[in-house]
Amino acid sequence: DGGITQSPKYLFRKEGQNVTLSCEQNLNHDAMYWYRQDPGQGLRLIYYSQIVNDFQKGDIAEGYSVSREKKESFPLTVTSAQKNPTAFYLCASRIPGPNTEAFFGQGTRLTVV
Amino acid sequence: AQTVTQSQPEMSVQEAETVTLSCTYDTSESDYYLFWYKQPPSRQMILVIRQEAYKQQNATENRFSVNFQKAAKSFSLKISDSQLGDAAMYFCAYRSSTNAGKSTFGDGTTLTVKP
Repeated sequence: DGGITQSPKYLFRKEGQNVTLSCEQNLNHDAMYWYRQDPGQGLRLIYYSQIVNDFQKGDIAEGYSVSREKKESFPLTVTSAQKNPTAFYLCASRIPGPNTEAFFGQGTRLTVV
Repeated sequence: AQTVTQSQPEMSVQEAETVTLSCTYDTSESDYYLFWYKQPPSRQMILVIRQEAYKQQNATENRFSVNFQKAAKSFSLKISDSQLGDAAMYFCAYRSSTNAGKSTFGDGTTLTVKP
């Protein structure tokens, strides 16, 4: 079945450590996205990529980094520079275009301990 | 920058009844797309319905329909014959036609369905 997979589902990180969240899709979508979701808030865009080897900062990119070396994969690294990394992270993919449906992963809950 | 506002943090509806979730947005563009996404307790978001701004006819998907008022910049979601499985968080989203790489989401409305 085609879909988008995020792993792990739960992740714990010690303060000062970098951690990488995985996002893989087999939908053959060119565009991929990372969002952060906090309680009572909507989805805020961290980074997005519309084609392999290219990506753009979203609205809250500080403290995060990404790579897009393969079409299927768009990993997100939460660095120690991110001041408040505890949150729920959602990855999405879609065909580029204004009216296309975004497909989402099941998310990763990151907790800093 | 575009903004999307969902003024109802929480709503509840009796099973089999109808409920309307509100969404307003701010934009200076004339061509854009609007979406409603559902996030159930599993937290995996799925598309409920979409609307093209250039279409006057309101979109409908089975029990889900929208009331799109372009002049008022309003895009409400109506759920008819509510079912227990409709309980979820609902997000309204805006996407520009000229800058289609990004979407702007509202803060969401949590819908409770009472049996």
